[in-house]
Order: sequence, then C-alpha cells, then structure tokens
Amino acid sequence: SQQGEEDPQALSIQEGENATMNCSYKTSINNLQWYRQNSGRGLVHLILIRSNEREKHSGRLRVTLDTSKKSSSLLITASRAADTASYFCATDEGAQKLVFGQGTRLTINP
Amino acid sequence: KAGVTQTPRYLIKTRGQQVTLSCSPISGHRSVSWYQQTPGQGLQFLFEYFSETQRNKGNFPGRFSGRQFSNSRSEMNVSTLELGDSALYLCASTEMRAGGTEAFFGQGTRLTVV
Repeated sequence: SQQGEEDPQALSIQEGENATMNCSYKTSINNLQWYRQNSGRGLVHLILIRSNEREKHSGRLRVTLDTSKKSSSLLITASRAADTASYFCATDEGAQKLVFGQGTRLTINP
Repeated sequence: KAGVTQTPRYLIKTRGQQVTLSCSPISGHRSVSWYQQTPGQGLQFLFEYFSETQRNKGNFPGRFSGRQFSNSRSEMNVSTLELGDSALYLCASTEMRAGGTEAFFGQGTRLTVV
C-alpha cells in the first residue's frame, strides 16, 4: 500500500524556474528518501533526510522534513531539461522496506 | 564501486509460464529488496532478504518467491504468470546506517506477459 501522497501529481515549468514537490506520510519514520525515475527506468537515489533533520542540501536540491506535519518537500532550483522525470518520496518505517508515494511527474519546458 | 545490476532488462513471457529475475547488489551490501512497479498500483514492496534469510514480505500471492545466495545475489521467481504481472521489477541494494535504511536501485527488469 502507498503511505505517501505526493503533490502535485504533475508539474510543468519553464527551464530555469524552481520546482517544488511535496510528500506527506502517515506513520513515524526513520528517514525519508527522494528518488528520480526517467521514463520507466530504474530509480536514482537523490537524497536521504533523517527524522531528526529538518533540511538538507545537495547541489541544486533542497529537501525539508517536518515530522510534526508528517510532510517533506523537494525543491529543485534553476531547473534544466534533464530534470524532466518522475520524482518519488519513500519512507523508511523500520521494517526493512520503503513505502513509496505515487510520484510527481515533472516536465521542464525549454 | 559498481551499482546494482539486474538481469535481464526486458522479458516477454506467456501466461502460465514462470520467470526468474536476477539482482546483484552493491559490493558489501548484504540486504536486497524487490519492488513491483505498475501504472495502477505504483511501487509495491515484494520482499527483503538479508544474509540469505527473508526478513519481510509484502502482500503478494505465493506465486511470487525469492531467494538470496551466500554472495548476496538475489533472484525472484514468479510462477504461473498472469497478465497482471506485467510490470517493472526493481531490485534495491540496501544498507543500514545511523538513521535507518538507505536503498539504491537497479535499472529494473521490464516483464511483459502476453
């Protein structure tokens, strides 16, 4: 079953703009991870944020985590055409498995 | 170090047949998880293996099974294939760190059942 819900389901922006995706979940977690998937291929690990962290950066990516609201956001700054992909959040509940959201389909228009 | 390797990349099978998919995790990782991805259900957890033992299993019928070898390589098997088994099957090599599990995925095996 899907624990996470991602919002929006689809996002289309112009190259150079920032893209923000949100993820909500239902139970307590150890960490939350964001992945990128291009055209039904494998998942690329982007960033992991632990439950005791509030914000994390990696290059053009910024992730926030609010455990009181059970939500996370992924910000991609200065978007590029190559960022066009589906983005998934996944939560580690501690049972040796990840629970994924339905994903956000991001399109960067040139 | 090398990433997660899944073979084959693509597979076409007929209903009623069985299929075996293979996954080699990142060197040094002892845990392997399998996920099924379909347009309707999204990414669903199948099972997880650690040191040749299944530690967790998702809500899938018994036709779905797996195993892990002493070198951490894993296989999953689906018997009596149904059309609904058509999906992208993803293997994850996982590592326990402070703060939980971190998972790295392979390119997946695209299974089409006709």
